[in-house]
Amino acid sequence: GAVVSQHPSRVICKSGTSVKIECRSLDFQATTMFWYRQFPKKSLMLMATSNEGSKATYEQGVEKDKFLINHASLTLSTLTVTSAHPEDSSFYICSASTSSAYNEQFFGPGTRLTVL
Amino acid sequence: DAKTTQPNSMESNEEEPVHLPCNHSTISGTDYIHWYRQLPSQGPEYVIHGLTSNVNNRMASLAIAEDRKSSTLILHRATLRDAAVYYCILYGGSQGNLIFGKGTKLSVKP
Repeated sequence: GAVVSQHPSRVICKSGTSVKIECRSLDFQATTMFWYRQFPKKSLMLMATSNEGSKATYEQGVEKDKFLINHASLTLSTLTVTSAHPEDSSFYICSASTSSAYNEQFFGPGTRLTVL
Repeated sequence: DAKTTQPNSMESNEEEPVHLPCNHSTISGTDYIHWYRQLPSQGPEYVIHGLTSNVNNRMASLAIAEDRKSSTLILHRATLRDAAVYYCILYGGSQGNLIFGKGTKLSVKP
């Protein structure tokens, strides 16, 4: 099956710093990538949808200037959490879909962000 | 968005079958029924999907009601590794994104 990787798997940073999370589709070209956030014991919440070469579409309530998303190629999308605060601590998960008519999604293993 | 209703939690004994129900009374004709599961501290994993007919794969079976307003994910022999949160999601394909509900937390007892 299609594989999606995320890097780093865990990151701890100080409040006020920026953190970049990478999401890569390893064996397929992902026309669309999605970023989710998951707080403890909660379900996944979609943050934004990004298509290669265009600006991301953010869900309501998600600050586009705080969560910068870049989808520069068909295999890589990045999420940068700018000026991170403790309330940004969460599990960030990306997924990628192909251009097939069915648009099946493949998920990465997630990145655990802890902001001190 | 069409919504699904699942029990919050279920328990099973190891090596016994498990039937995880999902209600989706507002399903539209183009919605596929997807099941994903999420093991602790991992990203969701695809399990199975279907449209109208029952489906089988190496992981599970999906039984879809004739009116498509409900479905059941069947794990034929639960193992400890099947302990996870199982999400039933309606996905129209063209809408692009999956919408996760609360899912069913499955516990498997040895």
